[in-house]
Amino acid sequence: KAGVTQTPRYLIKTRGQQVTLSCSPISGHRSVSWYQQTPGQGLQFLFEYFSETQRNKGNFPGRFSGRQFSNSRSEMNVSTLELGDSALYLCASSLRLVSQETQYFGPGTRLLVL
Amino acid sequence: QQQVKQSPQSLIVQKGGISIINCAYENTAFDYFPWYQQFPGKGPALLIAIRPDVSEKKEGRFTISFNKSAKQFSLHIMDSQPGDSATYFCAAVKSGGKLIFGQGTELSVKP
Repeated sequence: KAGVTQTPRYLIKTRGQQVTLSCSPISGHRSVSWYQQTPGQGLQFLFEYFSETQRNKGNFPGRFSGRQFSNSRSEMNVSTLELGDSALYLCASSLRLVSQETQYFGPGTRLLVL
Repeated sequence: QQQVKQSPQSLIVQKGGISIINCAYENTAFDYFPWYQQFPGKGPALLIAIRPDVSEKKEGRFTISFNKSAKQFSLHIMDSQPGDSATYFCAAVKSGGKLIFGQGTELSVKP
């Protein structure tokens, strides 16, 4: 079974731009979660989607948004990029909600904001 | 407010030694405590997990010890190997909630 895939793997943007990251979960998984990883803040939860509905949201500004499609694929969008948004963005999928099931992480998308 | 505190931040252990990483949590509603291992350039991978109804869980060289009354849990890596060198994250989640990670411990096992 293929693992979680994320595209693109690397991205360079400038302040003020917007970016869309994509995540394809493991086949059959219905939950997709997104995390931001930085050296200073560690792994921070962004949001979780299950069956196209946002089930949980972390403490991030409204510039961070996401969605899930009927095939469980998910995208997250960051608008009006700031330097502090530079991070590794990780996607994870699970069969059921993250609180009930093991999550499997993708390799991440490394975003650099200049 | 950090709900899961992890220590130490970094750890150096000789090959064959025991690596111990500790975590403490605040929210008594947490009911699932996983540990993740992350190698450079990779996403975290589940290593071992425990629920609060047991005090210890062992899988190979990896053991979780859980102290519900103290709200603490720890990861022990026996016979540590250079291949265990990675960053380890403890985490906690409550039913219907989100996964909260500790700050991570960078483990280096010297040959």
